[in-house]
Amino acid sequence: KQEVTQIPAALSVPEGENLVLNCSFTDSAIYNLQWFRQDPGKGLTSLLLIQSSQREQTSGRLNASLDKSSGRSTLYIAASQPGDSATYLCAVASTGNQFYFGTGTSLTVIP
Amino acid sequence: DAMVIQNPRYQVTQFGKPVTLSCSQTLNHNVMYWYQQKSSQAPKLLFHYYDKDFNNEADTPDNFQSRRPNTSFCFLDIRSPGLGDAAMYLCATSRVANQPQHFGDGTRLSIL
Repeated sequence: KQEVTQIPAALSVPEGENLVLNCSFTDSAIYNLQWFRQDPGKGLTSLLLIQSSQREQTSGRLNASLDKSSGRSTLYIAASQPGDSATYLCAVASTGNQFYFGTGTSLTVIP
Repeated sequence: DAMVIQNPRYQVTQFGKPVTLSCSQTLNHNVMYWYQQKSSQAPKLLFHYYDKDFNNEADTPDNFQSRRPNTSFCFLDIRSPGLGDAAMYLCATSRVANQPQHFGDGTRLSIL
């Protein structure tokens, strides 16, 4: 069974810093990996999706990379802002239409 | 805007009293999912529909059932809620299998 781990569980940075969130998975046989943002008490907002054949995806200040062979993905956030404060989750799509989520990294950007 | 809508946002029910949560989508996606998310935990997939085909996760309690009367709507029925069923319930859709998922804002269920 696929296991998805996100480290660290929580992260606090001053505004303006660049930061990296990590996601690792145990089974490299994936279809894609999706990064989400979740604000307190809300649903999930999709940020980026990387297909298994891709190495990275970019959207604005966000860049996600995928290294399938090592079972790792990173989400890079440039020039962080207080509005980026949220929990960031990664989810891996594996065989059988299964999606496996990590427990997330709670990010606080301090003004 | 095309979207996934969950109603109600907050639901309170009594221990053992059946409750139904609803999800609708205007994306015309084939797949609809129900997840349970407890505090500080990862969303846990309960079941999903691929069109009319129902797929139940092995560890989803029998207490939980789902209906999808048409493409746009999907319901989560909890027959006899226990205190341990208090959680956020998230509905998601994807166009086809293993494609990006789009989530609603969730329904937070409380059990008295």
